[in-house]
Amino acid sequence: AQKVTQAQTEISVVEKEDVTLDCVYETRDTTYYLFWYKQPPSGELVFLIRRNSFDEQNEISGRYSWNFQKSTSSFNFTITASQVVDSAVYFCALSRLNDYKLSFGAGTTVTVRA
Amino acid sequence: EAQVTQNPRYLITVTGKKLTVTCSQNMNHEYMSWYRQDPGLGLRQIYYSMNVEVTDKGDVPEGYKVSRKEKRNFPLILESPSPNQTSLYFCASRNRGARSSSGSGELFFGEGSRLTVL
Repeated sequence: AQKVTQAQTEISVVEKEDVTLDCVYETRDTTYYLFWYKQPPSGELVFLIRRNSFDEQNEISGRYSWNFQKSTSSFNFTITASQVVDSAVYFCALSRLNDYKLSFGAGTTVTVRA
Repeated sequence: EAQVTQNPRYLITVTGKKLTVTCSQNMNHEYMSWYRQDPGLGLRQIYYSMNVEVTDKGDVPEGYKVSRKEKRNFPLILESPSPNQTSLYFCASRNRGARSSSGSGELFFGEGSRLTVL
């Protein structure tokens, strides 16, 4: 069974601080996909990234960066120099290679204060 | 514009009154699915469909039905809603195969339907 754990329920930071969201997953598969989604207060789900398990390179996209460590089954997400618009719920998710179902973590609510 | 459209976006209903949440996508995607989002639980899959007339249960199918008569539509049916089905519902779609049309393998989600059952 697939399981995703986001231990941080809520994180509150002041604008311009960095914030790291933890994601730990469990799977028996050797190949799989990992995802991050953002859910702003308006409620829609915004795709941020998909990572293949065989690609352990870290990725940076603007102020966002992701640290994938297969050895510790973690796929952490960092927002650098946070802004108020980053306030949202962030979900980490996992899918099997040939299965389109996403197994989501419980989500981490990030609040960025001005 | 590529999109997944859900209706209604908001609904308050009473126990036992049948309702249908519609989902339509304009991307010619084969795969469609329904999720519900609950606090502390994230999103959980209710049902999915790999193509027309092919549907299967997800992790939490009890109390729900679906149908896939056309490729673009995947309605979620609550025959006799109960208060424990109060939730935020998302429909999603994607192409089958290793990569979606966007190349990222992502699911395209609708904007969500907030359902309250009294």
